[in-house]
Amino acid sequence: AQSVAQPEDQVNVAEGNPLTVKCTYSVSGNPYLFWYVQYPNRGLQFLLKYITGDNLVKGSYGFEAEFNKSQTSFHLKKPSALVSDSALYFCAVRDPGGKLQFGAGTQVVVTP
Amino acid sequence: GAVVSQHPSWVICKSGTSVKIECRSLDFQATTMFWYRQFPKQSLMLMATSNEGSKATYEQGVEKDKFLINHASLTLSTLTVTSAHPEDSSFYICSARSQGNNQPQHFGDGTRLSIL
Repeated sequence: AQSVAQPEDQVNVAEGNPLTVKCTYSVSGNPYLFWYVQYPNRGLQFLLKYITGDNLVKGSYGFEAEFNKSQTSFHLKKPSALVSDSALYFCAVRDPGGKLQFGAGTQVVVTP
Repeated sequence: GAVVSQHPSWVICKSGTSVKIECRSLDFQATTMFWYRQFPKQSLMLMATSNEGSKATYEQGVEKDKFLINHASLTLSTLTVTSAHPEDSSFYICSARSQGNNQPQHFGDGTRLSIL
């Protein structure tokens, strides 16, 4: 079965500092991985995806993610966090049937 | 970018009422649509998947007679919560994807349903 794990319920970072949100995956076959962000009372916004190709994937709003096969990880990163990046972040993997399996989510809090 | 419009964004109604939520893809053809339910501070729980023109496929434990899904066109899917009760109160989110499993899912802004 395909699954992802987000080990941190919350990540706190000061504005201007690097932001990392962790995600590890467990799949059989090639992983199709996604990151989404959710603001309060809103749906999810697509940030980026990894299907194949370069291990470093660049996405929206200055975010990027690094696919690491040996560590089965797909951590989301941003070099310099903004207060407006405070939100709930979800890692997801697509299963063979085309459905997304979401992680539990990580709340990011960026303080001024 | 791809836009999914979900309506209404917020609804309060009495117990026993049926509530319809619409999900529209505004600038792409949504061959597949998904309906999720999200409890406070929790992840999304997939309720059902629908392909245009076909019956929806419901996840285990989701009552298909309670949550009616229609996906009659490539731009519109509806979720009807029939005879809603307070335990049906939740945040419901739809998402849509164009043809191909590698395409990203695009999400609506969700509907906050409160049953009194």
